[in-house]
Amino acid sequence: DTAVSQTPKYLVTQMGNDKSIKCEQNLGHDTMYWYKQDSKKFLKIMFSYNNKELIINETVPNRFSPKSPDKAHLNLHINSLELGDSAVYFCASSHRQPNTGELFFGEGSRLTVL
Amino acid sequence: SQKIEQNSEALNIQEGKTATLTCNYTNYSPAYLQWYRQDPGRGPVFLLLIRENEKEKRKERLKVTFDTTLKQSLFHITASQPADSATYLCAFYNQGGKLIFGQGTELSVKP
Repeated sequence: DTAVSQTPKYLVTQMGNDKSIKCEQNLGHDTMYWYKQDSKKFLKIMFSYNNKELIINETVPNRFSPKSPDKAHLNLHINSLELGDSAVYFCASSHRQPNTGELFFGEGSRLTVL
Repeated sequence: SQKIEQNSEALNIQEGKTATLTCNYTNYSPAYLQWYRQDPGRGPVFLLLIRENEKEKRKERLKVTFDTTLKQSLFHITASQPADSATYLCAFYNQGGKLIFGQGTELSVKP
């Protein structure tokens, strides 16, 4: 009964390809996120959705497109992959509590672009 | 812009000692500050939240302090164990409602 699950866990692909990462949470949370963790371990927010509505959209190339079919799912599609996209991508969820909500993270999806 | 800084150097301590990790922030005064633990190959796991009007918060062997004057939070693990070895991250919600993280401090507890 994994709370936040994301697939795949590992993704190795060539530059220029398109790939997707899927995320699902069974915690009943309203808000979901995508974070990117680079090689220096910095966690940076990319997107946030609340009840399927985009509420945070950081300065991310438009090659990255999130999609939330319902409040329990948030997928990330990446077009025309570049070497610099190599990182670990974390999905997370939380209750919508302004400025207090703890985040529940998935196990991460390690993307390697060759 | 708001920044969080944690000591990027790994902290190595002996089992049984108290580990103290530091989190400094600038250009903002968060009302709440969170601490997470991250193990290699895993996602961060929430540990504690402390409010600006709480000087100290405890949970089992963990203690967090929040000094709004110094703009600093300290995270203590007493009677540390090898199982406490992990990376510890501090985080707060900025003005834009985004939870931003420090780069984390890696703790290694030797038996």
